[in-house]
Amino acid sequence: DVKVTQSSRYLVKRTGEKVFLECVQDMDHENMFWYRQDPGLGLRLIYFSYDVKMKEKGDIPEGYSVSREKKERFSLILESASTNQTSMYLCASTGSGHPQETQYFGPGTRLLVL
Amino acid sequence: SQQGEEDPQALSIQEGENATMNCSYKTSINNLQWYRQNSGRGLVHLILIRSNEREKHSGRLRVTLDTSKKSSSLLITASRAADTASYFCATLPRGGSEKLVFGKGTKLTVNP
Repeated sequence: DVKVTQSSRYLVKRTGEKVFLECVQDMDHENMFWYRQDPGLGLRLIYFSYDVKMKEKGDIPEGYSVSREKKERFSLILESASTNQTSMYLCASTGSGHPQETQYFGPGTRLLVL
Repeated sequence: SQQGEEDPQALSIQEGENATMNCSYKTSINNLQWYRQNSGRGLVHLILIRSNEREKHSGRLRVTLDTSKKSSSLLITASRAADTASYFCATLPRGGSEKLVFGKGTKLTVNP
């Protein structure tokens, strides 16, 4: 079974802090994604990566950056957390050749920025 | 921009009844997928239907796709309390940047 893990289930940070959200997948998937999920807005794509050291902006990249130094790990960085970044963050991955077939999701990180 | 829109936003039924959720989208697609999300958890893939398919089954799930109407439906037969979750459709637009676009979801409650 594909397993996608996220470093924290719950996280509380203060405004202005630098926040790292880590995602690791164990299926040698090329493609990895970061979404945020907010009530009434559904899932919105922040960033994605089709390969190591490669990244592409999604629909709402402002205020975020990412890092993909190793194939299995995709990190989401909030350079200076703000209260409007309080949200549920979901990481997903898919295999090569079919980047938009089945997406495998992690359990999510619920981030609260005070 | 939001591609898939689920309808209804919320649905409450009794155990044993069938649940039907609908998804409409705006542009041509390569495939349409349905996902389930239990409260506070990640999404789990349920079924994928390609643009040249009209119907697909998986266990108690039946998905239909009508590309002329740009709509899909997910039917869960003989529902169980464990089916209580939010259900999302996701579409892969044709000729685009190959990013899945998720709808806002239908919250299904199955009462025992």
